[in-house]
Amino acid sequence: DTGVSQNPRHKITKRGQNVTFRCDPISEHNRLYWYRQTLGQGPEFLTYFQNEAQLEKSRLLSDRFSAERPKGSFSTLEIQRTEQGDSAMYLCATLRGGAPYNEQFFGPGTRLTVL
Amino acid sequence: SQQGEEDPQALSIQEGENATMNCSYKTSINNLQWYRQNSGRGLVHLILIRSNEREKHSGRLRVTLDTSKKSSSLLITASRAADTASYFCATDARGLTGGGNKLTFGTGTQLKVEL
Repeated sequence: DTGVSQNPRHKITKRGQNVTFRCDPISEHNRLYWYRQTLGQGPEFLTYFQNEAQLEKSRLLSDRFSAERPKGSFSTLEIQRTEQGDSAMYLCATLRGGAPYNEQFFGPGTRLTVL
Repeated sequence: SQQGEEDPQALSIQEGENATMNCSYKTSINNLQWYRQNSGRGLVHLILIRSNEREKHSGRLRVTLDTSKKSSSLLITASRAADTASYFCATDARGLTGGGNKLTFGTGTQLKVEL
């Protein structure tokens, strides 16, 4: 257990439905990252926050995706009008910005299956 | 897009043997990290090597970095069945590309250690 939690752990939805995932970081970590991992591949960066500010978004993050971190603590990732291609593991990771080591602490992930 | 490539894609060894995995990347980096992922779960940080370091040890792990060849290797000595997992290299190019410590992962090596 790295101290980063994600909910739900598994989500099965029908195409066209909206889904929302939550990530609770380690409390003193001000940077929070979202990654997506498809089967047999390494994680790919989606977006990151420093405190409540969303500082970078990947081109992978289409306009159906939105992420928030309203109070600089937990974060949510919402996917609207899900498509089968959205099926993947969504991973959250956190980091204490300014730390001498850049180790990111990953949560267990949310596995999304779009039918 | 994935930056790194890892080889081999899969490796099967007997307990007690050493396992070596290689990673190549494409751009200049600040540091390179190795992560382990057990089947369908989150990633666990193993070791970080900075761009000005050439070799680093942690327990049974030995990492090398050759920035001129843009490559790294991870050696696990005296492997155990519990080492069975997928191993990913990840590069951090913060300050070089403007990213805030976002990681770019390789495709991973699936290691199986048999009794």
